[in-house]
Amino acid sequence: KNQVEQSPQSLIILEGKNCTLQCNYTVSPFSNLRWYKQDTGRGPVSLTIMTFSENTKSNGRYTATLDADTKQSSLHITASQLSDSASYICVVSEDSNYQLIWGAGTKLIIKP
Amino acid sequence: DTGVSQNPRHKITKRGQNVTFRCDPISEHNRLYWYRQTLGQGPEFLTYFQNEAQLEKSRLLSDRFSAERPKGSFSTLEIQRTEQGDSAMYLCASSSTGSSNSPLHFGNGTRLTVT
Repeated sequence: KNQVEQSPQSLIILEGKNCTLQCNYTVSPFSNLRWYKQDTGRGPVSLTIMTFSENTKSNGRYTATLDADTKQSSLHITASQLSDSASYICVVSEDSNYQLIWGAGTKLIIKP
Repeated sequence: DTGVSQNPRHKITKRGQNVTFRCDPISEHNRLYWYRQTLGQGPEFLTYFQNEAQLEKSRLLSDRFSAERPKGSFSTLEIQRTEQGDSAMYLCASSSTGSSNSPLHFGNGTRLTVT
């Protein structure tokens, strides 16, 4: 069964610290892996999209990595800010834009 | 603002009533998607359109749910005879092409509460 699992479920860190969120997937076929940020009460916002051949992609203070062999991805946030408090969702695409397998997300809380 | 717009933002209705939500996608996007999201979970796919054609529907979309995109621009999602289990956030997204590498642009959703 196609699945996307994220860890940890929730994370609390102090402002200015770095953190890394994990995503493991068992989706096949694989087209790409995406990370979304979702603020409470709002829609998800795309952070990165990586295809099979890409193993790292950055978007400002966010850096995503992908190991297609082990089917693992991580999202690293550098120098966290209070506005980074949100849920971060890992999404794996099979072969089209609607066949997306969504993880349950990691809820990140940044404390001052 | 040229993002995806959804209305209303919140809807409270009594069980058994019908509700309709509207989504206005980014104007040049030809693909439009509906998702449902419950607390603590990722979005669940409901249906998607390419222009005015509804190309795929999830098994989650029971016969009480219907979606339309009559002119290939805005879309509506109607839920008939609402049930308490329909309470969720309903998200709309659009994308510019069918490429699997196109990002989805989401609206801020309509939160439905069925009492």
